[in-house]
Amino acid sequence: DAKTTQPPSMDCAEGRAANLPCNHSTISGNEYVYWYRQIHSQGPQYIIHGLKNNETNEMASLIITEDRKSSTLILPHATLRDTAVYYCIVRPQDPSNTGKLIFGQGTTLQVKP
Amino acid sequence: ETGVTQTPRHLVMGMTNKKSLKCEQHLGHNAMYWYKQSAKKPLELMFVYNFKEQTENNSVPSRFSPECPNSSHLFLHLHTLQPEDSALYLCASSQDYEGWTEAFFGQGTRLTVV
Repeated sequence: DAKTTQPPSMDCAEGRAANLPCNHSTISGNEYVYWYRQIHSQGPQYIIHGLKNNETNEMASLIITEDRKSSTLILPHATLRDTAVYYCIVRPQDPSNTGKLIFGQGTTLQVKP
Repeated sequence: ETGVTQTPRHLVMGMTNKKSLKCEQHLGHNAMYWYKQSAKKPLELMFVYNFKEQTENNSVPSRFSPECPNSSHLFLHLHTLQPEDSALYLCASSQDYEGWTEAFFGQGTRLTVV
């Protein structure tokens, strides 16, 4: 079962920041938070991941709360091409990990003109 | 373009047919995965291969038969499927089975069983 909770849908105006929340209250100390997105009828695409520090790359920023029980993915200037389903996934990253991603229902982000 | 290529992109098959889905990656990855995505449902992991060895089978019916002849190629052989098997089948690869940070997905094969 997915270990995260996300709102089923969100809207965002084009050019504005999109803030996608994720709750992962049962996260373990060795589990990372990953974000993927899936544009309609395509394969999922990796966005970003983090453990406890905030992370930023060319696509997005990831803000993780100090207690690590929730996080927010931020798309700083959303475009119409950012319309997709966004998945928040927690996954351990250590030699004992099985390597698999467990996807939940995700958040459908609709960016509107 | 993710470096993971799936063929065909679309497939329509009858319940008595035998067909195969193909996945190819030239990223130097050693782990490959099959996922199934049915309408309105989350992605479901089906099979995992690491260095050509199957390491996981998530209770997938035997009418789905995976094959991994080398680290770059992964097949999913299909026979006597049911209409409820209609779905988007996604292949993914990662550097290795342990400790990887990013999985790369193909575009998927849209399968319709009639």
